[in-house]
Amino acid sequence: DAKTTQPTSMDCAEGRAANLPCNHSTISGNEYVYWYRQIHSQGPQYIIHGLKNNETNEMASLIITEDRKSSTLILPHATLRDTAVYYCIVRTEYNFNKFYFGSGTKLNVKP
Amino acid sequence: KAGVTQTPRYLIKTRGQQVTLSCSPISGHRSVSWYQQTPGQGLQFLFEYFSETQRNKGNFPGRFSGRQFSNSRSEMNVSTLELGDSALYLCASSREGNYGYTFGSGTRLTVV
Repeated sequence: DAKTTQPTSMDCAEGRAANLPCNHSTISGNEYVYWYRQIHSQGPQYIIHGLKNNETNEMASLIITEDRKSSTLILPHATLRDTAVYYCIVRTEYNFNKFYFGSGTKLNVKP
Repeated sequence: KAGVTQTPRYLIKTRGQQVTLSCSPISGHRSVSWYQQTPGQGLQFLFEYFSETQRNKGNFPGRFSGRQFSNSRSEMNVSTLELGDSALYLCASSREGNYGYTFGSGTRLTVV
């Protein structure tokens, strides 16, 4: 089962792009990369997911390397409300038991 | 549309007691999962239910159990509570297939 490695914390200036990296070097061909975030004391919030192509939605962009061993979540214009713990998760479509959250990255957006 | 609803939001119990937590998934979502979150262990998977059947289970003792009803609502039960069971318990629901989970706000359980 693919596990993920993320930096413990990162800082970002308000209005700038936040780029959050994630390593998943043991990812297998049928595992998707998911990103969630958790704002203090709330339930995790889904952000985006992808398999091998880059993805974009109203919240963020997901860039997955060609070998799929790493990915980057991009928040294009970070705001103070984006301060949260960001989790990178890999999982198969049907194997819910392998939904490991890991320790995540605490993103601090500063004014 | 309504999100995932968890009740109660806060709960205080005494060691040795049992507790039941409730989760109402988003309408149309048949998969319900439960997670425990503590400062020391982070988010840990408890179990997942689909169509009233437990489909997956995490590494928790048998004191932790759950069930799902025909309307997809789910309950989890913890018997013989220990101090270490104090945590935020999160429920998440999903449509079948490659979709993300939607989490509820959680139930914060304090065992004293």
